[in-house]
Amino acid sequence: EAQVTQNPRYLITVTGKKLTVTCSQNMNHEYMSWYRQDPGLGLRQIYYSMNVEVTDKGDVPEGYKVSRKEKRNFPLILESPSPNQTSLYFCASSPIAGGVETQYFGPGTRLLVL
Amino acid sequence: QKEVEQDPGPLSVPEGAIVSLNCTYSNSAFQYFMWYRQYSRKGPELLMYTYSSGNKEDGRFTAQVDKSSKYISLFIRDSQPSDSATYLCAMSADNYGQNFVFGPGTRLSVLP
Repeated sequence: EAQVTQNPRYLITVTGKKLTVTCSQNMNHEYMSWYRQDPGLGLRQIYYSMNVEVTDKGDVPEGYKVSRKEKRNFPLILESPSPNQTSLYFCASSPIAGGVETQYFGPGTRLLVL
Repeated sequence: QKEVEQDPGPLSVPEGAIVSLNCTYSNSAFQYFMWYRQYSRKGPELLMYTYSSGNKEDGRFTAQVDKSSKYISLFIRDSQPSDSATYLCAMSADNYGQNFVFGPGTRLSVLP
C-alpha cells in the first residue's frame, strides 16, 4: 500500500530537549516536505527536499532542521524546541514530475512543547 | 491580508443539504486549485483539483474557479454525515505539487 508514515504520532516534550520526527514514504518519490498546521493559519511549509541531499527552506523554517540522506526518509529535527512549536506536523511526498494531484500526506504528528 | 482566506466555520448542516465552501485569494499567479478533506486525526487527502477557471464535477462534489474574482468554491450535494470533516483549499502557481498555499480550512458537520 502506498503510504507516508510518521513517528511518533503524539509527542509531549519540554523546552530545549532535542527531538526528531521521522517521515518515510514507500512510493519512491523524489519530493518530500514538512508542514505545520495551526488553528486559523492552515498548513504552512517548513522545509522541502527535491531529492537526496537537496533541501530548502519553506515559509516557516526557523527552529527546524531537516536531512535527506535516503530517498525514502525525511526526518524533521527540533534542536531546541520551544512552546511556539507546539503544533500538528505533516509530512508529504510526491514524484518530482507529478502534478499537484500526486502529493500524499502522512497521518500527522501532534507535538506539545511544555 | 492573507494570501488565501477561508471561513473557518464551523458549519453545521442537516443531512441531504447542499453545502457551499469558499476561498478567496490575492495572488493572480495561482493556476491550480485544490480541495482537500481532512478527517479528525488524519492527514489531508485530495478531493478535487482544477486548472484555471471553470467547473469540475466528481459525483456529489463540484469545484468552481472564478479567476477574475479570485474566488473558488466547493459544492457538496446530498451531504452525508460521512462528509463531516475539515475542508482545506489550496492553490499553486505551478503543477509540481511543491509550492502550495493552503487556506485555514472550514470545519463542516453534517447532522443525521
